[in-house]
Amino acid sequence: GAVVSQHPSRVICKSGTSVKIECRSLDFQATTMFWYRQFPKQSLMLMATSNEGSKATYEQGVEKDKFLINHASLTLSTLTVTSAHPEDSSFYICSADSGGTEAFFGQGTRLTVV
Amino acid sequence: AQSVTQLGSHVSVSEGALVLLRCNYSSSVPPYLFWYVQYPNQGLQLLLKYTSAATLVKGINGFEAEFKKSETSFHLTKPSAHMSDAAEYFCAVSAQGYQKVTFGIGTKLQVIP
Repeated sequence: GAVVSQHPSRVICKSGTSVKIECRSLDFQATTMFWYRQFPKQSLMLMATSNEGSKATYEQGVEKDKFLINHASLTLSTLTVTSAHPEDSSFYICSADSGGTEAFFGQGTRLTVV
Repeated sequence: AQSVTQLGSHVSVSEGALVLLRCNYSSSVPPYLFWYVQYPNQGLQLLLKYTSAATLVKGINGFEAEFKKSETSFHLTKPSAHMSDAAEYFCAVSAQGYQKVTFGIGTKLQVIP
């Protein structure tokens, strides 16, 4: 199946700094990518839909100025957590719509803000 | 709109016993249904999916699920549990093809030797 690569897999940052997470579709083009967040012992919640060449669509309650999404090419979407705080510590995971039979998920990024 | 309810956040089975993880869905349009597995500190792996073809879907690692429209269910089963099956399992639904997947809360499966 298609491969989605997410980087980094783990990151620790200081409070107040920004962190960028990359999501790449390695062997297919994805006009649409999705970003999810998973709190400890909870399910994955959709944060935003990333569309190549246009602004991302954020789910209700997600701060677009805090979670900046850029989908500059058909194979890359980035999520930047700005001015990170400990409550932003979470597991972030992306998926890419292959336009075929399923959306493929990256391996996720464990963000810890200290 | 769509939603998923997974009954039982924790399920324990003995090694070799039947695995049954329950999932009920709600969708205003014909759904696509998925089961994903997540091992500790890892991403999601697709086990199987229903996309309006055969109602009994076979997936990887010996898992299968049956789509029952009348019961709005998509329960996951495996005849004989292995220790390696211990993980968290998510049922998910999409009403827009393969986009905007809505996940259930997950069921953590424990396999007892």
